[in-house]
Amino acid sequence: AQSVTQPDIHITVSEGASLELRCNYSYGATPYLFWYVQSPGQGLQLLLKYFSGDTLVQGIKGFEAEFKRSQSSFNLRKPSVHWSDAAEYFCAVGPRSGNTGKLIFGQGTTLQVKP
Amino acid sequence: GAGVSQTPSNKVTEKGKYVELRCDPISGHTALYWYRQSLGQGPEFLIYFQGTGAADDSGLPNDRFFAVRPEGSVSTLKIQRTERGDSAVYLCASSPGGHTSEAFFGQGTRLTVV
Repeated sequence: AQSVTQPDIHITVSEGASLELRCNYSYGATPYLFWYVQSPGQGLQLLLKYFSGDTLVQGIKGFEAEFKRSQSSFNLRKPSVHWSDAAEYFCAVGPRSGNTGKLIFGQGTTLQVKP
Repeated sequence: GAGVSQTPSNKVTEKGKYVELRCDPISGHTALYWYRQSLGQGPEFLIYFQGTGAADDSGLPNDRFFAVRPEGSVSTLKIQRTERGDSAVYLCASSPGGHTSEAFFGQGTRLTVV
């Protein structure tokens, strides 16, 4: 079955500390990969995406993610977290053909930032 | 408007009632998606429109759910005989189309069935 697993439901980091959010997926073939962020009362905002090429992708707000095919993982990282990064983060995968907007989301990781 | 607009932002309805949720996509976007997000979960795909037609409705949970996009822009998600389990945030997204184009999400409609 196709699925996305975000093992950490809730993470707390101190402001200025580094961050890594984990994402593993199960899919028939290598999918397109995405990370979205959702702040309270806001819609989902795309942080970054991987389609092909360099497996280390850069996104907005200083985030990056690395695609590791052998581990079926797409972990999100940020070297130094800011208080404004507190939000919910979703990893998602989608097909490379057909209905490419039919995304499968993980259950999300809530990030809390301590001052 | 600049983004995807969903109305109402909140809807409370009684069990058994009919509701309509509206989505105004970004102008010119041909692809439109509906997702449902239950509390503590990630969004789940419901239906995809390319233009006026529903190209993929495999995510609709049952025949109480229906969506239309008659003119290829605004879409309405319709839920008949609502049940308490339908309570969720309903998200709409649109994209320009093309297999690598980004989907832009609206803020959602929070539906509560009491």
